[in-house]
Amino acid sequence: GQQLNQSPQSMFIQEGEDVSMNCTSSSIFNTWLWYKQDPGEGPVLLIALYKAGELTSNGRLTAQFGITRKDSFLNISASIPSDVGIYFCALYAGETSGSRLTFGEGTQLTVNP
Amino acid sequence: NAGVTQTPKFRVLKTGQSMTLLCAQDMNHEYMYWYRQDPGMGLRLIHYSVGEGTTAKGEVPDGYNVSRLKKQNFLLGLESAAPSQTSVYFCASSYPNPPGYSGGDQETQYFGPGTRLLVL
Repeated sequence: GQQLNQSPQSMFIQEGEDVSMNCTSSSIFNTWLWYKQDPGEGPVLLIALYKAGELTSNGRLTAQFGITRKDSFLNISASIPSDVGIYFCALYAGETSGSRLTFGEGTQLTVNP
Repeated sequence: NAGVTQTPKFRVLKTGQSMTLLCAQDMNHEYMYWYRQDPGMGLRLIHYSVGEGTTAKGEVPDGYNVSRLKKQNFLLGLESAAPSQTSVYFCASSYPNPPGYSGGDQETQYFGPGTRLLVL
């Protein structure tokens, strides 16, 4: 099956620091997604990427679709306590596959005030 | 709109007991999904449905059954619960997106708040 690796598994940072996490896949995909899960809640879509090389921002969050189409990066600038949560990358399998998503293992982010 | 709701929020079962988890969405979505979340393993797809009356297996379907008798509801059943099924279960739905939404359709999944299940 599809291999999707996300790193790091966890991060402990101080408020105000920048954060970077990434995902790599064993195959080429056309759509990368980044979700965030707040403690005790379901994941929420942050950013969707549709083109190789695409760089998209959502406030302090910036995500990039790698040129090889096998990786993606998520950066958070000037972190704040509410950034705490689990960040997931996900790959979209396409409409013919039931529009399924494959999720990475997640990056647990802790922000110390 | 309530979005995606899940019932119950928390449940404790004994090994061998059965139960049904209910997912409901009021967004008129065609597609619905059941995932389980375990520490360090992300979200894994159990079963999914691309329309009323249709279901399909996902990545980890063993020990679970599903039904989609109504478009807005997706039920996940455990016939004989096992400790390995202790997990947090999430339901999600997608397609089409609300009017005015500028993103894609099928790839944007909306998640419920989860059901925590403990099997003793």
